[in-house]
Amino acid sequence: KAGVTQTPRYLIKTRGQQVTLSCSPISGHRSVSWYQQTPGQGLQFLFEYFSETQRNKGNFPGRFSGRQFSNSRSEMNVSTLELGDSALYLCASSWIPGLAGVETQYFGPGTRLLVL
Amino acid sequence: KQEVTQIPAALSVPEGENLVLNCSFTDSAIYNLQWFRQDPGKGLTSLLLIQSSQREQTSGRLNASLDKSSGRSTLYIAASQPGDSATYLCAVPEETSGSRLTFGEGTQLTVNP
Repeated sequence: KAGVTQTPRYLIKTRGQQVTLSCSPISGHRSVSWYQQTPGQGLQFLFEYFSETQRNKGNFPGRFSGRQFSNSRSEMNVSTLELGDSALYLCASSWIPGLAGVETQYFGPGTRLLVL
Repeated sequence: KQEVTQIPAALSVPEGENLVLNCSFTDSAIYNLQWFRQDPGKGLTSLLLIQSSQREQTSGRLNASLDKSSGRSTLYIAASQPGDSATYLCAVPEETSGSRLTFGEGTQLTVNP
């Protein structure tokens, strides 16, 4: 079974541009979560989608948005990029959300975004 | 708000040594605790998930324990190898959502041959 895939793996943008990142979950998984990882803040939760609906949202500005398609693939978009948005963006999938007691999350390799 | 802390931040050991990584959390009302491994520039690999009702979990040379009452978990690595060099992260899910994980800052482990 293929793991979580993320595209692109690397991206260089300039301030003010926007970017779209894609995540394909493990086949059969319906929940997708996004995380931002930076050296200073560590791993921080961005949002979670399940059945094309945003189920949970972290403490990030409105420039960060996402969506999920009917096939469970998810995209996140960052508009008006800032230097501080440079980070590794990770997505994770699980079968269904809320099974906190039994369900592990599977992470993709991440997209490394550099904003110049 | 749940806070997760990992000590030490970095650890360097000679090959073959047994070692312990520590993770503490402030809110003991957790469903489970996960340990992950992250290689440089890569994603996270789940190592062990301990249910709140369990005291420990084992996988090969790895053993993770959980003490909810004291808000602590440890990851024990036996007979360390250079291939174990990576950053190890612990994470707990948010009580209400389950899927939203709060991570520690990680312990960067280097095993020297």
